[in-house]
Amino acid sequence: DAGVTQSPTHLIKTRGQHVTLRCSPISGHKSVSWYQQVLGQGPQFIFQYYEKEERGRGNFPDRFSARQFPNYSSELNVNALLLGDSALYLCASSLALAGVVVEETQYFGPGTRLLVL
Amino acid sequence: AQSVAQPEDQVNVAEGNPLTVKCTYSVSGNPYLFWYVQYPNRGLQFLLKYITGDNLVKGSYGFEAEFNKSQTSFHLKKPSALVSDSALYFCAVRDILDTGGFKTIFGAGTRLFVKA
Repeated sequence: DAGVTQSPTHLIKTRGQHVTLRCSPISGHKSVSWYQQVLGQGPQFIFQYYEKEERGRGNFPDRFSARQFPNYSSELNVNALLLGDSALYLCASSLALAGVVVEETQYFGPGTRLLVL
Repeated sequence: AQSVAQPEDQVNVAEGNPLTVKCTYSVSGNPYLFWYVQYPNRGLQFLLKYITGDNLVKGSYGFEAEFNKSQTSFHLKKPSALVSDSALYFCAVRDILDTGGFKTIFGAGTRLFVKA
């Protein structure tokens, strides 16, 4: 079975532009989460979606938004890009929510590396 | 608030020697702890988790971790290191949200170098 897939793998944008990152979860997984990993740091939680509903939001500005589609894939959108948005963006999927199945394991995709110039 | 700390930026070990990557945690409630590994230009790979039960957790690629409640630690170990184990290792704790969702809170990471 395919793991979590993300597209594109790399992206270069300029300040002020908008970007859309895409994620397809493992087949059968209904939860998708997004994380930002700045160079030299651990990943930081941005959003979690389950069954198309937002279930969690991290401490990121409103320029960041996301949605989940009926097929459980997801998009992360970032508006008005800043230099500080340059990072590896990771998508993760899980079968269920940890509030229901506490031992649920989260699997990560390879990430999209975004460079803002 | 849930948090984890990885006190070492880097760990160096010779191939064939045992390795330990340290992690301490601070949680309210039950700790749900994880280890992930990241290879260059790759995403995170799940190694193992502690939810409840035995304090010694066995995971992928020969790794194991010991949960110690009194010392609030969850150190990653391997009896015999391989050069291919060289990577960035993250300790993480799960924070379950009021919505039933969850977020994973990561440490800063520890870079492991295994020398041949």
